[in-house]
Amino acid sequence: EAQVTQNPRYLITVTGKKLTVTCSQNMNHEYMSWYRQDPGLGLRQIYYSMNVEVTDKGDVPEGYKVSRKEKRNFPLILESPSPNQTSLYFCASSPSVTYEQYFGPGTRLTVT
Amino acid sequence: EDKVVQSPLSLVVHEGDTVTLNCSYEVTNFRSLLWYKQEKKAPTFLFMLTSSGIEKKSGRLSSILDKKELFSILNITATQTGDSAVYLCAANAGGTSYGKLTFGQGTILTVHP
Repeated sequence: EAQVTQNPRYLITVTGKKLTVTCSQNMNHEYMSWYRQDPGLGLRQIYYSMNVEVTDKGDVPEGYKVSRKEKRNFPLILESPSPNQTSLYFCASSPSVTYEQYFGPGTRLTVT
Repeated sequence: EDKVVQSPLSLVVHEGDTVTLNCSYEVTNFRSLLWYKQEKKAPTFLFMLTSSGIEKKSGRLSSILDKKELFSILNITATQTGDSAVYLCAANAGGTSYGKLTFGQGTILTVHP
């Protein structure tokens, strides 16, 4: 089944404890992207990747890192999480940015 | 700075009503406009628009883009309770920002029986 998977789905952590949210797609898509969703703000793009080893900042990259070493994986790294990074995170992929994006199920992160 | 603004932010209607959702954008080297529907989970794709004046339709939903006035509308006719959701529009940039996707805040649509 074609899908985007994210892990973990729920995470409660403390300020400053490094964490990684994994994202994997099995559709051989070139384009992948991370978003955060906060009430009243819609989806905001954190980072995107046009292909392996190519990543770029979106609108809210501060406090996040990404890597794209393989086509299927696009992990989101929070080196030192802070409470303002409490949010719902979505990973998405598509054959190219101008096509529809397939979203993962979301990861709800709480930083205390 | 790229910007996408949706209106209204929320809308309450009764089944059978027709609704129009608005999306205006200011995006560097605009390439495409996308509409998504989000229920209590991940967004699902509705339409992608790249050409001005060409209507896209899917059942009771339709959308059109005006590249001169920089806006798009999403129409839903004969609304049903299952149409209750958040509707998101997003604009795709080009040029050196190719790959960047800017979303609006979303319109919360509530359809009462």
